Amino acid sequence: DVKVTQSSRYLVKRTGEKVFLECVQDMDHENMFWYRQDPGLGLRLIYFSYDVKMKEKGDIPEGYSVSREKKERFSLILESASTNQTSMYLCASSLVAGPYNEQFFGPGTRLTVL
Amino acid sequence: GENVEQHPSTLSVQEGDSAVIKCTYSDSASNYFPWYKQELGKGPQLIIDIRSNVGEKKDQRIAVTLNKTAKHFSLHITETQPEDSAVYFCAATGTDKLIFGTGTRLQVFP
Repeated sequence: DVKVTQSSRYLVKRTGEKVFLECVQDMDHENMFWYRQDPGLGLRLIYFSYDVKMKEKGDIPEGYSVSREKKERFSLILESASTNQTSMYLCASSLVAGPYNEQFFGPGTRLTVL
Repeated sequence: GENVEQHPSTLSVQEGDSAVIKCTYSDSASNYFPWYKQELGKGPQLIIDIRSNVGEKKDQRIAVTLNKTAKHFSLHITETQPEDSAVYFCAATGTDKLIFGTGTRLQVFP
């Protein structure tokens, strides 16, 4: 079974802190994604990566950056956390390039910014 | 822009009844439509998908229908069970990515 793990289930940070959310997948998938999930807004794509060292902006990249130095690891970075970034963050991976493949999601990280 | 609307936002049914969730999409080029189920404390998981060359697809108690002319697709769950209680997301392909709907919280009461 594909396993996508996220470094923390719950995280509390203060405004202005630099925050790292880590995601690791164990099935040699090409694609990795970061979404945020908010009530009434569904899943919104922040960034995605179709290959190592490659990144593409999603629908809401402002205030975020990403890093993919190794194929299995995709990190989401909040350079200076703000209260409006309080949310559930979901990482996902899929086997090959493009949106036509099943995405496997991690359990999510609930981030609270105070 | 690319958009997927999903209704209803909440749905309560009695065990054994059917449940229907509807989605509409804006991009006429969309050609892949997956449905994901998110149980409490877990990430979403794919339960069924349909491609644009097919009008209907069934998998046991769940089915998805697609009307490309009207740009809408629906998830049908028959003989609902308490374990069907979850949040369901529809999605449609946009430019290089999936566009998700806003989610439907389904509650099945015994």
